[in-house]
Amino acid sequence: GAGVSQSPSNKVTEKGKDVELRCDPISGHTALYWYRQSLGQGLEFLIYFQGNSAPDKSGLPSDRFSAERTGGSVSTLTIQRTQQEDSAVYLCASSLEGASQETQYFGPGTRLLVL
Amino acid sequence: AQSVTQLDSQVPVFEEAPVELRCNYSSSVSVYLFWYVQYPNQGLQLLLKYLSGSTLVESINGFEAEFNKSQTSFHLRKPSVHISDTAEYFCAVISGGYNKLIFGAGTRLAVHP
Repeated sequence: GAGVSQSPSNKVTEKGKDVELRCDPISGHTALYWYRQSLGQGLEFLIYFQGNSAPDKSGLPSDRFSAERTGGSVSTLTIQRTQQEDSAVYLCASSLEGASQETQYFGPGTRLLVL
Repeated sequence: AQSVTQLDSQVPVFEEAPVELRCNYSSSVSVYLFWYVQYPNQGLQLLLKYLSGSTLVESINGFEAEFNKSQTSFHLRKPSVHISDTAEYFCAVISGGYNKLIFGAGTRLAVHP
């Protein structure tokens, strides 16, 4: 079946602009995760959704970052007033029910470059 | 807080040689351990995971990892590597009851002919 998909695959924006990144999880997966992969920080957790609720937002780096999930499916990560340090690959993952031992399946990522 | 240390940022090796990629994690009451692989220009894929039971876990492409609770380690090994194993390998941990993967910094495995 189809895996996790993300769009756009690449995004170039100017400092100060807002961007929206989209994630389509594997059909039927109730848990959805956002991570960020950057040269300086490695792979870091941003936020976890169970259904449409986000019980863990502990990894969001600032209030410029927000995310929502609708219909228990698609999720959007929004970065407002982008800064150069936001440049990174943003990865989305999903798992069946969100249990700790489940495999998280990753999408190909969105490469964000802030000029 | 949980942390994962991958001791080698890069490991160069010749084809058909054995390899070990080291991973240590900070101790916790219960953890689940994962190795993910990222091939060039591709997304992260699960290679293998340890949940419970036998401390030795294997992947379908010949990699294996051993959970060592006393040394808090989960090293990844392969007795004979191929060119196609060239990739970045990430060790990750989840504490029981939580959902977020904590990743190590990654080890870049470069297999040379």
